[in-house]
Amino acid sequence: AQSVAQPEDQVNVAEGNPLTVKCTYSVSGNPYLFWYVQYPNRGLQFLLKYITGDNLVKGSYGFEAEFNKSQTSFHLKKPSALVSDSALYFCAVRDDGTASKLTFGTGTRLQVTL
Amino acid sequence: NAGVTQTPKFQVLKTGQSMTLQCAQDMNHNSMYWYRQDPGMGLRLIYYSASEGTTDKGEVPNGYNVSRLNKREFSLRLESAAPSQTSVYFCASRNQGVVGMAFFGQGTRLTVV
Repeated sequence: AQSVAQPEDQVNVAEGNPLTVKCTYSVSGNPYLFWYVQYPNRGLQFLLKYITGDNLVKGSYGFEAEFNKSQTSFHLKKPSALVSDSALYFCAVRDDGTASKLTFGTGTRLQVTL
Repeated sequence: NAGVTQTPKFQVLKTGQSMTLQCAQDMNHNSMYWYRQDPGMGLRLIYYSASEGTTDKGEVPNGYNVSRLNKREFSLRLESAAPSQTSVYFCASRNQGVVGMAFFGQGTRLTVV
C-alpha cells in the first residue's frame, strides 16, 4: 500500500526567509509525487509534480521540490517566503502500478509572518 | 471555464437523513474521485471511478455509495447520515494517463447533527 507522511503539522517562517515543507513517501513501485496547496475555503490547487528525470522540479508561485530516492523524500522549498504563501500544503503520491489512486498526506500549515 | 463543480456548498443534515452530493467536470476526464477532509487526517479517498461505468472503494467507503452517471458526473450518496460523516467533501477529476494531475472542486461542507 502506498502512503505519505508529512511530519510537521505547522511550519512558521518569516517573510523573505527560505522555507521547507517536508514529505516522505512509501510505494511499492516507482513513485509519482505531487504537491498541492489549499487556501481557506477553497479546493486544492496543483503546485508541482515529479514523474521522472531531474530530481529538482519547479512549479507555480516560485515553489520547487527535491526528489530524493534514497531517502524516499519529496520536500517542498521556496528560496524566499511571502505572507501570501500562508496556506495548507499537501503532498501526494501515486504508484506507477496503481494508475488511479492518489494518496495524500495529512497536510502542513505554512504560516509566513512579517 | 468551470472545471470541477460541486453542489451544494453547505449542508446540514439530521442523523439518519439521506442526501446526494453532486459533482460534474467539463474537462473530459476519465477518472473521478471523492475525498473527505478532516482536521489532522488530510484527505482520505472514499470512492473513485477510473472510467465511465466503473467504481471502486477507497480507504473509507463505509456509509457511502457512488454513481458514475456518465463521463461528466460522479455523485456521492449518504443513505443514513451519521455525525461521524461531518466533514468537508471534495470531488476531483484527473486526466487519463499516469502523469495527469487532479483538479479539485471547491468542496461541500457537511454537518450532521
